[in-house]
Amino acid sequence: GENVGLHLPTLSVQEGDNSIINCAYSNSASDYFIWYKQESGKGPQFIIDIRSNMDKRQGQRVTVLLNKTVKHLSLQIAATQPGDSAVYFCAETNGTYKYIFGTGTRLKVLA
Amino acid sequence: DAGITQSPRHKVTETGTPVTLRCHQTENHRYMYWYRQDPGHGLRLIHYSYGVKDTDKGEVSDGYSVSRSKTEDFLLTLESATSSQTSVYFCAISDQGGGTEAFFGQGTRLTVV
Repeated sequence: GENVGLHLPTLSVQEGDNSIINCAYSNSASDYFIWYKQESGKGPQFIIDIRSNMDKRQGQRVTVLLNKTVKHLSLQIAATQPGDSAVYFCAETNGTYKYIFGTGTRLKVLA
Repeated sequence: DAGITQSPRHKVTETGTPVTLRCHQTENHRYMYWYRQDPGHGLRLIHYSYGVKDTDKGEVSDGYSVSRSKTEDFLLTLESATSSQTSVYFCAISDQGGGTEAFFGQGTRLTVV
């Protein structure tokens, strides 16, 4: 929603450059991770996911990297476009029904 | 997009009144969730359901109740709305719970005055 980004860290990137958004997750037992994109006034939208038996997964213009040693997740967006401007957050699960969401990072794409 | 519809999309209500938000899905997913989203807190789980008539509390369940009488509908009720419940509410669905991605509705902006 419109109030999501008020207190979030912001990453400003020039159009065409690559973006890297980071997330530290909390539970070493988490085995499934998801990145979401949330545009103003909309619900979170699934981007890409990765399971704990993988270190890297690629999608269209996006790559997720998982470092289980330091409990760190990153989302790389290649050739960032104005339409990529949004809030991005990660989610983790540990085999239960529940998802744990990070607070997010606001990505601003500069023309 | 996953078939999730939240209603209403916007609502203004007075303190002390009951409010019910509806989430309707057409995906036949087993799991349904209600979250609230507030600045600085991210998405916080209110209640979730793992089947018809099977629900459980989340981390911020006080003041909220839910019901799921059929697979496609998950209702969130604020029995007596308070100003602290002003928020954006999101419904989410998942086919296999925490083992697969959750899909979100467009949200309901609730203002309690």
